[in-house]
Amino acid sequence: EAQVTQNPRYLITVTGKKLTVTCSQNMNHEYMSWYRQDPGLGLRQIYYSMNVEVTDKGDVPEGYKVSRKEKRNFPLILESPSPNQTSLYFCASSLYPPTYNEQFFGPGTRLTVL
Amino acid sequence: AQKITQTQPGMFVQEKEAVTLDCTYDTSDPSYGLFWYKQPSSGEMIFLIYQGSYDQQNATEGRYSLNFQKARKSANLVISASQLGDSAMYFCAMREDTGNQFYFGTGTSLTVIP
Repeated sequence: EAQVTQNPRYLITVTGKKLTVTCSQNMNHEYMSWYRQDPGLGLRQIYYSMNVEVTDKGDVPEGYKVSRKEKRNFPLILESPSPNQTSLYFCASSLYPPTYNEQFFGPGTRLTVL
Repeated sequence: AQKITQTQPGMFVQEKEAVTLDCTYDTSDPSYGLFWYKQPSSGEMIFLIYQGSYDQQNATEGRYSLNFQKARKSANLVISASQLGDSAMYFCAMREDTGNQFYFGTGTSLTVIP
């Protein structure tokens, strides 16, 4: 089944404790992206990747890191999480070019930073 | 300036009636893609419909159609014959060919009344 998977689905952590949210897709998509969703703000892009080893900042990259060492995986790293990073996070992927192709979304990761 | 504007935070529609969800966008790029996604209360993001800036005809997918008015920079989603399962948040999104980022609106919450 074609899908984007994210782990964990739910995470409660404390300020400053490094964490990684994994994202994997099995559709051989070139484009991958991370979003955060906050009430009243819609989805905002954190980072995206056009292909392996090619990543770039979205609208809200502060406090996040990403890497794209393999085509299928695009982990999101929070080196020192803070309470303002409490949010619902989505990973998505699409064929290239993403302007003309739908994004497939993962199920979301609900993160709470205390 | 906001790239995507959805001015209707909440909408109600009677079952079996049609409803239009508004979306306006801001871009100077001649090449861009417009997307609509549905987010039910369960949280997943579901792709509904796509419109390319060079498409001559309005996109349609089953009960969903996109009223694309390029000169007015609007891309309204029309849902015909509303069903109870259409109750959800709806997000409009855009990607410019030159910009690489995706922009989402703040969403419209649709409630279908029996």
